[in-house]
Amino acid sequence: QVQLVQSGAEVKKPGSSVKVSCQASGGTFTRYAFNWVRQAPGQGLEWMGRIIPVAGITNYADEFQGRVTITAGTSTSAAYMELTSLRSEDTAVYYCARGGSTNGAPFDSWGQGTLVTVSS
Amino acid sequence: QSVLTQPRSVSGSPGQSVTISCTGTSSDIGGYNYVSWYQQYPGKAPNLMIYDVTKRPSGVPDRFSGSKSGNTASLTISGLQAEDEADYYCCSYAGRYTMVFGGGTKLTVL
Repeated sequence: QVQLVQSGAEVKKPGSSVKVSCQASGGTFTRYAFNWVRQAPGQGLEWMGRIIPVAGITNYADEFQGRVTITAGTSTSAAYMELTSLRSEDTAVYYCARGGSTNGAPFDSWGQGTLVTVSS
Repeated sequence: QSVLTQPRSVSGSPGQSVTISCTGTSSDIGGYNYVSWYQQYPGKAPNLMIYDVTKRPSGVPDRFSGSKSGNTASLTISGLQAEDEADYYCCSYAGRYTMVFGGGTKLTVL
């Protein structure tokens, strides 16, 4: 049973960056994709991007291109999401979610979420 | 504004059936059979309920079913139970290795 454990809550200033980690355990890591999904307070889910660690492939949603970088360390079974040039609208819970490496694969395991608050 | 359109809320009484719609375009729902549905309780992470339009992961009750017609996907919950009260999100592959979500639907069990 795969478990995804994320890093703790963050408070950031506008214009700064945040890096959230996602540690996987209990299952195969490298042949899957790790996705990042965020949810602003009281709002819906928003897909940000993904990485396929074994292939080193990353894909990003257009809205986040140039501001988000997703990386992974295959030897450490962890994935990371860095978001730069933070603004108040980036205040949200950020989730990592495991998916298959094929296009359209569903997200079958989720981390507990990391609250990122952007405030001056 | 979400790419996929869902009703903000639906409701039903215990034992009844409810259907949640999710409308997209030919570039997402209509173009691929990669629609998934997620259940989310307040303060919790989402949980996969349906994938590839109609498939159920192991452990998901068969009261949950999915379908698609054209650019609209649907999630039907039959034999409604109190524990089904939650938010539901649809998700679709949108080409170019990207995914999109609906705005979410709050299900109230009366």
